[in-house]
Amino acid sequence: EVQLVESGGGLVQAGGSLTLSCAASGFSVFNNYMTWVRQAPGKGLEWVSVLYGGGSPDYADSVKGRFTIFRYSPKNTVSLLMNSLRPDDTALYYCARGRRDGYNYFFDYWGQGTLVTVSS
Amino acid sequence: SYVLTQPPSLSVAPGKTARITCGGNDIGSKTVHWYQQKPGQAPVLVIYYDSDRPSGIPKRFSGSNSGNTAALTISRVEAGDEADYHCQVWDSSSDHPVFGGGTKLTVL
Repeated sequence: EVQLVESGGGLVQAGGSLTLSCAASGFSVFNNYMTWVRQAPGKGLEWVSVLYGGGSPDYADSVKGRFTIFRYSPKNTVSLLMNSLRPDDTALYYCARGRRDGYNYFFDYWGQGTLVTVSS
Repeated sequence: SYVLTQPPSLSVAPGKTARITCGGNDIGSKTVHWYQQKPGQAPVLVIYYDSDRPSGIPKRFSGSNSGNTAALTISRVEAGDEADYHCQVWDSSSDHPVFGGGTKLTVL
């Protein structure tokens, strides 16, 4: 059974750092598009970052240069290191598995999310 | 970047049909996916590739996509369908996925 479990969220001051983790089961994080999507309070979904296979990670412009996505295959986890956090990074962060076929790309499994709150 | 426009809210009576739209420039040339998000829960994929249903999703859920509008249609709406619905496409110009702002479906 496919399962994604996030952890690591919390309250942090602006300028601080936090690392989120996503533990996957039922599939390999290396062979899939492991993605972070966030949702600010009362807002819609926003794609944040993706890591796939041996390829280069990719980031939304809003987090580029501040966030780093990485993988630890022995534990089948993917993590998001967030530096220089800002109040507008406050959101529920979801880990999701992406499925891609050319220009077709969707998310078939999601974790329950971990809340990040950045105080000013 | 590519913009997807959804109505913020939609209300429908039980047993009726709900049609949730997702507008975008020539969205018919893209593939649209839909997610259901119930209060306090993670999103769940309900439609992919415009009109395909994952296993476990009722046939009452269907999708269409043409011109500048994609739509998620829920037939015989039930109280349990009350949720936020988000559309999503791949933006080839930015090489990133893009979400609509979401539509809150209220069952009267």
